[in-house]
Amino acid sequence: GDSVTQMEGPVTLSEEAFLTINCTYTATGYPSLFWYVQYPGEGLQLLLKATKADDKGSNKGFEATYRKETTSFHLEKGSVQVSDSAVYFCALSAYGGATNKLIFGTGTLLAVQP
Amino acid sequence: NAGVTQTPKFQVLKTGQSMTLQCAQDMNHNSMYWYRQDPGMGLRLIYYSASEGTTDKGEVPNGYNVSRLNKREFSLRLESAAPSQTSVYFCASSVRDKNTEAFFGQGTRLTVV
Repeated sequence: GDSVTQMEGPVTLSEEAFLTINCTYTATGYPSLFWYVQYPGEGLQLLLKATKADDKGSNKGFEATYRKETTSFHLEKGSVQVSDSAVYFCALSAYGGATNKLIFGTGTLLAVQP
Repeated sequence: NAGVTQTPKFQVLKTGQSMTLQCAQDMNHNSMYWYRQDPGMGLRLIYYSASEGTTDKGEVPNGYNVSRLNKREFSLRLESAAPSQTSVYFCASSVRDKNTEAFFGQGTRLTVV
């Protein structure tokens, strides 16, 4: 079945460091890909998405490119801030049964130190 | 904007007790979902519903039942709670389109002792 694999955390960085969180997927069809972020004590919220190959999603300085040839959707940010500390989830959405389903990776905790 | 509302936010149950987690959305979405979140496991889909009156099993349905009461509401019931069901539960909703994102509630932290 469809699945998402993302790098395990925690990832600890100093402020202004470069961030990469790796994500790869397995899917039989043509999924859309998402990054969600979860701040402490909150639900998940969309960070960015890409709906077809070679699309680049971006938001708040974060970027990810949908790479069909490597089945990857790695999250990057050039300069992280303390406020970026959160759990990041990679996810794919594909049709399965009567509707689309979101399949999540295990999440990566990012801790940014001042 | 309320979005997706879950109740309760916290709950402690004894083994064998039953309870229902409530979820309502005000975005006129067709699809609704229940996930559980456990450390190191990410979010796992329990059940989902494509429309009122229809429900389907997800990855981890055992020990749960659901009811799509109407387009707005999707409840999750634990008939006989077990310690293995200690988790954080999230309800989500979306339009029926794989290119659009799902919207999540704030979660219910359930502890079964």
